[in-house]
Amino acid sequence: ETGVTQTPRHLVMGMTNKKSLKCEQHLGHNAMYWYKQSAKKPLELMFVYNFKEQTENNSVPSRFSPECPNSSHLFLHLHTLQPEDSALYLCASSQVGRGNTEAFFGQGTRLTVV
Amino acid sequence: GESVGLHLPTLSVQEGDNSIINCAYSNSASDYFIWYKQESGKGPQFIIDIRSNMDKRQGQRVTVLLNKTVKHLSLQIAATQPGDSAVYFCAENENGGSQGNLIFGKGTKLSVKP
Repeated sequence: ETGVTQTPRHLVMGMTNKKSLKCEQHLGHNAMYWYKQSAKKPLELMFVYNFKEQTENNSVPSRFSPECPNSSHLFLHLHTLQPEDSALYLCASSQVGRGNTEAFFGQGTRLTVV
Repeated sequence: GESVGLHLPTLSVQEGDNSIINCAYSNSASDYFIWYKQESGKGPQFIIDIRSNMDKRQGQRVTVLLNKTVKHLSLQIAATQPGDSAVYFCAENENGGSQGNLIFGKGTKLSVKP
């Protein structure tokens, strides 16, 4: 148990559906992240939130929309996805501005777009 | 460009032997490095980190070595056990980790033979 919880663990959605991924961290961290993990690719950083403000968007298509209502919760809203968006989506949190800033990851949501 | 990569995609070792996993990075401004372990169906789990003002750091059965001259990072696992079987990722960060953004390598799959 890393202190970062993601739901759902698995999600199958059609290309016209709208769904949301949820992440919650119980570590008191001030930064949260969304990563995408595809087969045979490095983890790709998608979005970064520091103190609830989005500080980075790595050229992610607009069909992915993040939301960070407070420092403990992070959402990823999905709309009209493509089959190539099927991947493991990982949420992480860390404490920035101090010494150790390792990121703690959730278990991920395995997304399949059909 | 800035990238973190791994020399070997797979590594097979005998139980009880030592394992060495290597990583090359190209961003000379990176000053914080982390090794993660990812087991099947789980998110990446922090193993050990090292800052650029050090060249070696030891943990329980693991040692990380940093060679800034050749931009090379390695993870040594002593007395490898079946439970060490996983994919190992190196990750880098610059600005002393103050931004928290981690750039990951592709990963090396470690298989431990009984």
